[in-house]
Amino acid sequence: AIRMTQSPSSFSASTGDRVTITCRASQGISSYLAWYQQKPGKAPKLLIYAASTLQSGVPSRFSGSGSGTDFTLTISCLQSEDFATYYCQQYYSYLWTFGQGTKVEIK
Amino acid sequence: EVQLVESGGGLVKPGGSLRLSCAASGFTFSSYSMNWVRQAPGKGLEWVSSISSSSSYIYYADSVKGRFTISRDNAKNSLYLQMNSLRAEDTAVYYCARAPPLSQLFDYWGQGTLVTVSS
Repeated sequence: AIRMTQSPSSFSASTGDRVTITCRASQGISSYLAWYQQKPGKAPKLLIYAASTLQSGVPSRFSGSGSGTDFTLTISCLQSEDFATYYCQQYYSYLWTFGQGTKVEIK
Repeated sequence: EVQLVESGGGLVKPGGSLRLSCAASGFTFSSYSMNWVRQAPGKGLEWVSSISSSSSYIYYADSVKGRFTISRDNAKNSLYLQMNSLRAEDTAVYYCARAPPLSQLFDYWGQGTLVTVSS
C-alpha cells in the first residue's frame, strides 16, 4: 500500500497567518491527491482534488500544489473557522490511503 | 442536496456482528461508487471498503477482509456494511462516503455512526 506522510503533525498559528501543510507519498501518485478538512465531531469535508483543484464552495484562500510524491496545502490567510485537522488522501491506487492528519491549533 | 445518513451503530461484544446502513438522497445513487471510511477514537481516517455503482467491483482493506461485507440496494438508495467477528480494534465512527465517477476520492460524507466493540 502507498504510505502517505504529513508534516507537521500539529502546529499553532494565528488568524491571518499563511500556513502550509506537506504530504509525501511513498511512491509516485501523479496528481491523484485530495485534501480534507475535519472539525471535531464532524465528518471530513473535501477541499481540494487532483492536487490543486478547489472543490465547489471552498474559499479561494485554500490552494494545493504538487505532483508525483510531494504535495502541499496552503491557507493564504488563516481564518478562525480554519482551525481544524487536515488530511491528504491518495486515490492513485487501491488500497486508498490517508495521511495521519495535521492539526492546526490557535496560538 | 446530497444527503448520506448512517445508522445501525452501537455496542457489541467481541466476536459479535453488526449491520450498518447508509440512506442516500439528493443524487442518482445508482450512478456512484460508494465507500465506508472509519475513524477510531482520537485517530485518523481509514478507508474500509468500496463498491462500484452496479456492485461489479468490491474492495476491502486488509484489516477487514473476510470479516466485513459491503453491499448496496440501488432500488432503495441504500448502502450496507455487514460486520462479523468484530474486534476491539474495529471500534470507530463509520462514515459512508460517495466517490465521484472515475475517481476514488470522497466528495460527500455522512455524519457517521459509532461502533463500539467491548465486553
